[in-house]
Amino acid sequence: GAVVSQHPSWVICKSGTSVKIECRSLDFQATTMFWYRQFPKQSLMLMATSNEGSKATYEQGVEKDKFLINHASLTLSTLTVTSAHPEDSSFYICSARKPGLAKLSYEQYFGPGTRLTVT
Amino acid sequence: AQSVTQLDSHVSVSEGTPVLLRCNYSSSYSPSLFWYVQHPNKGLQLLLKYTSAATLVKGINGFEAEFKKSETSFHLTKPSAHMSDAAEYFCVVTPSNFGNEKLTFGTGTRLTIIP
Repeated sequence: GAVVSQHPSWVICKSGTSVKIECRSLDFQATTMFWYRQFPKQSLMLMATSNEGSKATYEQGVEKDKFLINHASLTLSTLTVTSAHPEDSSFYICSARKPGLAKLSYEQYFGPGTRLTVT
Repeated sequence: AQSVTQLDSHVSVSEGTPVLLRCNYSSSYSPSLFWYVQHPNKGLQLLLKYTSAATLVKGINGFEAEFKKSETSFHLTKPSAHMSDAAEYFCVVTPSNFGNEKLTFGTGTRLTIIP
């Protein structure tokens, strides 16, 4: 299998505080993980690509100092939303690429998502 | 550059009738194409994928899709809808060139099943 978990599944925080979201690959090692953001009734937008042991690659328009990504191990990537504001409220979804499948390397396994509400 | 257009934002069908969710793509490279399903407040589940093998792809839960290069389409179908099929469906494209793994998502189609 290829299971990806996220924690927490739901979080409420006050404006100005920081919140950390964890993404774990439970039964495989993931050298590459991806973070997406999904606004209500909209599609997923890629925020950044997280590579184990190196800096994340952010998409254009995503503030790297606001959305801190750390991929410290082959099974864990974290997204920290710093100094959160109400406009950061969204559904954050991570995915992980399972290595070793050359022809299918474009398949990503998605976590269940984390709903962030900033009050 | 690549893009995906899901032609219908909302589709309603009666239980037991066929489902058709339309998707057109644009890609500078030979694409890999996917359909994902998302149930409310859940992550995404892969339904099926096309990666330059057979053009008619069969997925889980009775879904299938046909890659038509001449029409740049990858429509999702199911012969008989079930209540549990009610969800949001995303068509996704990625170029097949090495090293590029970015997925481009369509805007989604919400499928409603009428009892």
